[in-house]
Amino acid sequence: KQEVTQIPAALSVPEGENLVLNCSFTDSAIYNLQWFRQDPGKGLTSLLLIQSSQREQTSGRLNASLDKSSGRSTLYIAASQPGDSATYLCAVTSGTYKYIFGTGTRLKVLA
Amino acid sequence: ETGVTQSPTHLIKTRGQQVTLRCSSQSGHNTVSWYQQALGQGPQFIFQYYREEENGRGNFPPRFSGLQFPNYSSELNVNALELDDSALYLCASTLAPTGALRLAKNIQYFGAGTRLSVL
Repeated sequence: KQEVTQIPAALSVPEGENLVLNCSFTDSAIYNLQWFRQDPGKGLTSLLLIQSSQREQTSGRLNASLDKSSGRSTLYIAASQPGDSATYLCAVTSGTYKYIFGTGTRLKVLA
Repeated sequence: ETGVTQSPTHLIKTRGQQVTLRCSSQSGHNTVSWYQQALGQGPQFIFQYYREEENGRGNFPPRFSGLQFPNYSSELNVNALELDDSALYLCASTLAPTGALRLAKNIQYFGAGTRLSVL
């Protein structure tokens, strides 16, 4: 059974810092991994989708990497800003019809 | 803006009642999934509909049911509400390749959710 874990559960950093969020999954037979952002009480915004054949994806200040063999993904945020404060969720799909989500990392960037 | 809209945004019900939540997918998306997100948790898969038929189901009882319509809208119905049903309900739509049910390569677009409170 696929399980997704995110570490740390919460993170507070000063503005301008570079930071790394971690996601691990127990079954390496995934088709893709997706990182989402969720603002309080809101829905999910897709940030980056990494296919199983890819090693990384980049969008602006965000870079996500994937190491299937070790069951790990990282989301790197460069030069963090207060507007980056949100909960970040990773989710994997293993070729079935559903995403398995982690419990998220709550990020607070202090001005 | 994902093009997926959900209604209502908030809802308060009492235990034992029935509720219907609605989702309007992006035009052309033939697949919709529903998730339940309890406070402080990640979303949990409820079920998915592909071309108006249920395509898979998570670990939820039969009192959770759904419908998908040809106009890219869908419904989640929950009967006999329990206190633990209080959560944010999210729908997500995508376009699955015709004749293939695997969605692995397609991004799912999420709505903003419906916050259900059961008293």
